[in-house]
Amino acid sequence: QQQVKQSPQSLIVQKGGISIINCAYENTAFDYFPWYQQFPGKGPALLIAIRPDVSEKKEGRFTISFNKSAKQFSLHIMDSQPGDSATYFCAVLGANNLFFGTGTRLTVIP
Amino acid sequence: GAGVSQSPSNKVTEKGKDVELRCDPISGHTALYWYRQSLGQGLEFLIYFQGNSAPDKSGLPSDRFSAERTGGSVSTLTIQRTQQEDSAVYLCASSWDRSRGYTFGSGTRLTVV
Repeated sequence: QQQVKQSPQSLIVQKGGISIINCAYENTAFDYFPWYQQFPGKGPALLIAIRPDVSEKKEGRFTISFNKSAKQFSLHIMDSQPGDSATYFCAVLGANNLFFGTGTRLTVIP
Repeated sequence: GAGVSQSPSNKVTEKGKDVELRCDPISGHTALYWYRQSLGQGLEFLIYFQGNSAPDKSGLPSDRFSAERTGGSVSTLTIQRTQQEDSAVYLCASSWDRSRGYTFGSGTRLTVV
């Protein structure tokens, strides 16, 4: 059973554009929503995270928007750069561990 | 150490053989996790260790999979009688506790031929 659904599966954006990745969940007990970035041959690395008491968190060019009533959260990458090309995973925190989405492969075209 | 260390980085084994994968977490991190990442797929939770508590083994796919964590530090994931469907990247992560961000190692790429 997939605890969190992520879309799109792949995304191509022009340099300077905005990349948007969406995730949806069902279990309202989840209380921590991180995003991870993974480059080929490396493990995922924590990018940014949010807790449900706020609706938005911004760190540099990366923003999480959180809609508690809709049980959705999204990652926005402003001014996307070729170096942002990677796979992005959303996750939700269960009782003991994170459950990850299936990933979005982002390609930023120069 | 500075990060989570996993060894070997690559492992090719014959179907039916046993394999051991090692994880050295960040010093002081009490939580340790194993995940499996199949080609083009997300991360599948396998097992979770927290301090001296009994591990959460709910994600292990079959009884051929087992893991231990010695002295609250190094962990070993063992796969017995490997099958081709076990081919994947096995990722280890550690954290201060369940509610903090994880630090992942670079993984062990296992290929069963």
